[in-house]
Amino acid sequence: DIQLTQSPSFLSPSVGDRVTITCRASQGINSYLAWYQQKPGKAPKLLIYAASTLQSGVPSRFSGIRSGTEFTLTISSLQPEDFATYYCQQLQSYSLTFGGGTKVEIK
Amino acid sequence: EVQLVESGGGLVQPGGSLRLSCAASGFSFSDHDMDWVRQAPGQGLEWVGRIKNKAYSYTTGYAASVKGRFTISREESNQSLYLQMNSLKSEDTAVYYCVRVGDSGYLDYWGQGILVTVSS
Repeated sequence: DIQLTQSPSFLSPSVGDRVTITCRASQGINSYLAWYQQKPGKAPKLLIYAASTLQSGVPSRFSGIRSGTEFTLTISSLQPEDFATYYCQQLQSYSLTFGGGTKVEIK
Repeated sequence: EVQLVESGGGLVQPGGSLRLSCAASGFSFSDHDMDWVRQAPGQGLEWVGRIKNKAYSYTTGYAASVKGRFTISREESNQSLYLQMNSLKSEDTAVYYCVRVGDSGYLDYWGQGILVTVSS
């Protein structure tokens, strides 16, 4: 299976900060990567797919970029509603895998 | 509005069986592949498996951790997805999500999740 390694696993920024989360794939996955946001007690929500395409309705402060097997999710100016756990996910292989998650908590 | 509503969860003993259901509405169910994804308490997300749509002959695929024990099926007439879970183990304890695979190939709509607890 393709492994996805997210870093950091925990972040404690302030409102208004620029936040960057990285996801590294164990092998090439082209741009077959998505980012999800999950709030406590809720289902995950698709934010970005195909590495950099914003899902409909997602604020433009979220963006994604790919560089080889490294993928980055950026929140340009963190808002109170953005405190959550973020997961990357690949679908290069039929056996989908998720990263371990990055928890973004209020400082 | 797309809605996915899971049911059938609960407490089951190790070695037992359970069948989860997911009622889909608000979209053309027959056109979409459907997945199950689970999340153990306090842990990350784990893909369980997929059933493709009719155009792909309802082909199924499973994670190695559940292959041979879990079976995904669907019923187009009542827009329902199922997960039959046999030979359950304590490590199958999780919230199980019913998920739609979007036109992009990604998981674009999720149910609210249902808890399955495997314990004696």
